Amino acid sequence: QKEVEQNSGPLSVPEGAIASLNCTYSDRGSQSFFWYRQYSGKSPELIMSIYSNGDKEDGRFTAQLNKASQYVSLLIRDSQPSDSATYLCAPSSGSARQLTFGSGTQLTVLP
Amino acid sequence: GAVVSQHPSRVICKSGTSVKIECRSLDFQATTMFWYRQFPKQSLMLMATSNEGSKATYEQGVEKDKFLINHASLTLSTLTVTSAHPEDSSFYICSAPWKGGTDTQYFGPGTRLTVL
Repeated sequence: QKEVEQNSGPLSVPEGAIASLNCTYSDRGSQSFFWYRQYSGKSPELIMSIYSNGDKEDGRFTAQLNKASQYVSLLIRDSQPSDSATYLCAPSSGSARQLTFGSGTQLTVLP
Repeated sequence: GAVVSQHPSRVICKSGTSVKIECRSLDFQATTMFWYRQFPKQSLMLMATSNEGSKATYEQGVEKDKFLINHASLTLSTLTVTSAHPEDSSFYICSAPWKGGTDTQYFGPGTRLTVL
């Protein structure tokens, strides 16, 4: 059974700080990795995707992937109150590229 | 990014009735779409994979006779909740992978179903 574990929340950081979100996954066949942000009552919104080991930066967001350790993380620099949401880690695998979601980490950025 | 729409956004129905939810990919074709269900304070759970031109693939524990899926065209998949009961009340979300070289999945805005 595929499992995705995310660091337990809720996580609170002050405005301007770095928020660090972690995720481990069990399926070594996972090929692509996605981070989604979900505001309360809304559907997930894609934040980052990463496919190969190393770092990938996009604006204030940096995703890190280590397939050997089955670990993926998301760093949010200069956190803003608008970043307050639940962040979902989702590796994809299989021929249909199904996503398996973690339970999510709720982030609160305090003004 | 790619756009996926869902209709309706919110529905309230009486117990025993059937509800149809539509999922459309607006600017790309999707031979595969996914249906998820999310209960309050929980993560998304995959219900089924909708396949254009063939039967849907259901996840373990999901009743295929209760949750009917029809992938009518390359841009439309429908989920029908038959004989809905209060325990079916949930947030239903569809997604479609955009095959622009990345297979990134884009989500519809979701449908909030309340069964009285």
